Amino acid sequence: EIVLTQSPGTLSLSPGERATLSCRASQSVSSSYLAWYQQKPGQAPRLLIYGASSRATGIPDRFSGSGSGTDFTLTISRLEPEDFAVYYCQQYGSSPRLTFGGGTKVEIK
Amino acid sequence: QVQLVQSGAEVKKPGASVKVSCKVSGYTLTELSMHWVRQAPGKGLEWMGGFDPEDGETIYAQKFQGRVTMTEDTSTDTAYMELSSLRSEDTAVYYCAPKEGGSYVFDYWGQGTLVTVSS
Repeated sequence: EIVLTQSPGTLSLSPGERATLSCRASQSVSSSYLAWYQQKPGQAPRLLIYGASSRATGIPDRFSGSGSGTDFTLTISRLEPEDFAVYYCQQYGSSPRLTFGGGTKVEIK
Repeated sequence: QVQLVQSGAEVKKPGASVKVSCKVSGYTLTELSMHWVRQAPGKGLEWMGGFDPEDGETIYAQKFQGRVTMTEDTSTDTAYMELSSLRSEDTAVYYCAPKEGGSYVFDYWGQGTLVTVSS
């Protein structure tokens, strides 16, 4: 099973700042099959990025994904008030067996 | 657009079973591969299992093997997830999330069903 480790656990930033979230895999994720989700309290997760760097439908371009192999990054170029949430990475390179990272909370400083 | 409506919250005693339903509209269940993900209070997302269209079988995460059963009723476009031998650690929100298309990513999610296991 591929284990995904997200860091940091919590990121304290101000609106307008840049957020950089990391997701590290215990083994290489084939074909960069890595996705990112955003989750707000009381809501289901929302797909942001798939294939490591492709934005899902309707996702603003301030969200970008990068990386390959075992190291992946989600960047939010300028934080908007609605971006403060928890973010999860998910690998599907070993599909149909899937795993999620533990999450990074982006909170208002 | 896929719409998913899950059954309501449940309270169960340890050792009991729970069956959560997920009604699909906008698509037929045969066009999707349904998966289930759970989230314990204040914790992260945990994949439980789902349908593998390449093999035509349902795959379960090793952690839940033997305790979970995922089924579908294509006549009503409703998917079910049954978890048995419940323990307090199974208290969580359970989500259905279909794979639509080639990639195992989830564009659509049910609203979640809270299952509370308490004596």
